[in-house]
Amino acid sequence: EVQLLESGGGLVQPGGSLRLSCAASGFPLSSFAMIWVRQAPGKGLEWVSALSSSGGNTFYADSVKGRFTISRDNSKNTLFLQMNSLRGEDTAVYYCANGRPYGTGWYGRSDYWGQGTLVTVSS
Amino acid sequence: DIQMTQSPSSLSASVGDRVTITCRASHSITNYLNWYQQKPGKAPNVLIYGATSLSSGVSSRFSGSGSGTDFTLTISSLQPEDFATYYCQQSNSLPLTFGGGTKVEIK
Repeated sequence: EVQLLESGGGLVQPGGSLRLSCAASGFPLSSFAMIWVRQAPGKGLEWVSALSSSGGNTFYADSVKGRFTISRDNSKNTLFLQMNSLRGEDTAVYYCANGRPYGTGWYGRSDYWGQGTLVTVSS
Repeated sequence: DIQMTQSPSSLSASVGDRVTITCRASHSITNYLNWYQQKPGKAPNVLIYGATSLSSGVSSRFSGSGSGTDFTLTISSLQPEDFATYYCQQSNSLPLTFGGGTKVEIK
């Protein structure tokens, strides 16, 4: 059975750091591009970051560029999001998801999602 | 960045109704348009990809149409389990962007 399981969320003070993990089972993470998407309380979906299937290319939303880092450990089949210099506006549920291509696109759509992990940035 | 504008932001409908949600992209995205359904406290679930292709396991009462900048999600006969929030997403270029969502509520 395919599963993505996020962990690492919690309460952190402004300026602090957290590392989110997304453990995959049932498929190798390296077979897909992977993304992080967040959802602030009561708000819509916002793409945060992406990692190519090769692991060689990383992409970030302007709102997190320079503060967040996406990475992957193939031996642990786990995706990470290192979040530094956290701000109140980073408060959200963070989801990891795959990218399944169609056409000539590298990402396509996400058909595997984790359950989400809540990050709260507050003093 | 490509902006995705969904309408309406919410709607009330009855079981059995035909429901249409629209999504407009600020620039052409050819057919790189996905539709997701999200229920409270749950992760999104892809319904339609490539503007018109039904995702595996999704009911055929869901359909998508459009290309370029204008897209539509149609639910042919609304069922109780369809009350949820729906999002469009463009995957033509980075940054990936989502529409603001359409909440489908019970009339």
